[in-house]
Amino acid sequence: NAGVTQTPKFQVLKTGQSMTLQCAQDMNHNSMYWYRQDPGMGLRLIYYSASEGTTDKGEVPNGYNVSRLNKREFSLRLESAAPSQTSVYFCASSERQALRMGYTFGSGTRLTVV
Amino acid sequence: AQKVTQAQTEISVVEKEDVTLDCVYETRDTTYYLFWYKQPPSGELVFLIRRNSFDEQNEISGRYSWNFQKSTSSFNFTITASQVVDSAVYFCALIVGIPWYNNAGNMLTFGGGTRLMVKP
Repeated sequence: NAGVTQTPKFQVLKTGQSMTLQCAQDMNHNSMYWYRQDPGMGLRLIYYSASEGTTDKGEVPNGYNVSRLNKREFSLRLESAAPSQTSVYFCASSERQALRMGYTFGSGTRLTVV
Repeated sequence: AQKVTQAQTEISVVEKEDVTLDCVYETRDTTYYLFWYKQPPSGELVFLIRRNSFDEQNEISGRYSWNFQKSTSSFNFTITASQVVDSAVYFCALIVGIPWYNNAGNMLTFGGGTRLMVKP
């Protein structure tokens, strides 16, 4: 099925470890996003990529890096994980000129940092 | 900067009751888009509706209806005759500006969400 695919679905890290969250979309969308979801705070934007070859910081970028590998893929890296990064991470994509459906979201990655 | 407020953090109703989820937004832009998403217990985010700032018509889709009032900056969501399957977290969200002129990639700003629990 067409959509946004995130891997892994679950991950437990020790403080200081690094990891990369993968995201791929097959809808030929220009824009991709990484959000984190914390209780009572909704979803907050970490980084986004308006188009292939560009990335920009969102509301909460500290402690993260991203790579827009190509039009399909947008990865999020935690270089040195901290307990404050325990969260559910969502990748999303959108077609810039067609907001009929808003964003299309992946199923999320539940990350726990101990 | 824009902001979305969902003052109700949790609502509990009994099946078949009507329930309204409130959403208040803030923006200085005259062009913007409002959305509602549903997040069921399985965790995925499901798009429900989009409304642009130039269209204040209310919308009804089955048991769901939306009331957009620019005068009060509100975009409220009503579920009529609620069902257990409606139990979820509901998010209101906002994009400002004209998307195809906006090189910032149409960033969605979310409210904190309202958890709706429908009891049998």
